[in-house]
Amino acid sequence: EDQVTQSPEALRLQEGESSSLNCSYTVSGLRGLFWYRQDPGKGPEFLFTLYSAGEEKEKERLKATLTKKESFLHITAPKPEDSATYLCAVQAYRKGAQKLVFGQGTRLTINP
Amino acid sequence: EAGVAQSPRYKIIEKRQSVAFWCNPISGHATLYWYQQILGQGPKLLIQFQNNGVVDDSQLPKDRFSAERLKGVDSTLKIQPAKLEDSAVYLCASRPGDWTEAFFGQGTRLTVV
Repeated sequence: EDQVTQSPEALRLQEGESSSLNCSYTVSGLRGLFWYRQDPGKGPEFLFTLYSAGEEKEKERLKATLTKKESFLHITAPKPEDSATYLCAVQAYRKGAQKLVFGQGTRLTINP
Repeated sequence: EAGVAQSPRYKIIEKRQSVAFWCNPISGHATLYWYQQILGQGPKLLIQFQNNGVVDDSQLPKDRFSAERLKGVDSTLKIQPAKLEDSAVYLCASRPGDWTEAFFGQGTRLTVV
């Protein structure tokens, strides 16, 4: 069964304090790993897609990396507006379709 | 470009009542998903459509949930009868192809009392 585990469940940082969020997965035939940001009361918003081990993507203060077993979302010098829940999802080909399985998310709070 | 539209935004019903949610995906997107997100958890896939056909409904509680996608465009998700544990946000998402990201709507927050 495809499984995605994110850690920590919640993280509180001071503004400017860099850190990393982890997404560990167990899936055969990975066809992509997605990172999303979700603000309270809103739907998830796409951030990155990673397809192969060693791949990295960057956007402003965020950088996502991928290995064969996990992905990291690195946040450099975060600002309060980076506070949100960060979700990762793995994509695998099942029953003739691409299935997206989400982790439980990491709730990130950046204090000014 | 218009995003994924969902309605209503909020719904409060009593247990054993029925409720329906509506989703209008982005034009041209063949794949449509319905996810259930319970407070503090990640989204859980309920059903996936490819055009107007179901490709995965393995986690849909079929004794009470049903979904359809009309003419491969709009979709409705129905719960009948609702239980207290159905209280959650129901998210609709669509994507144009297998190698692109999924786009999510704002969700419908259902409270069953």
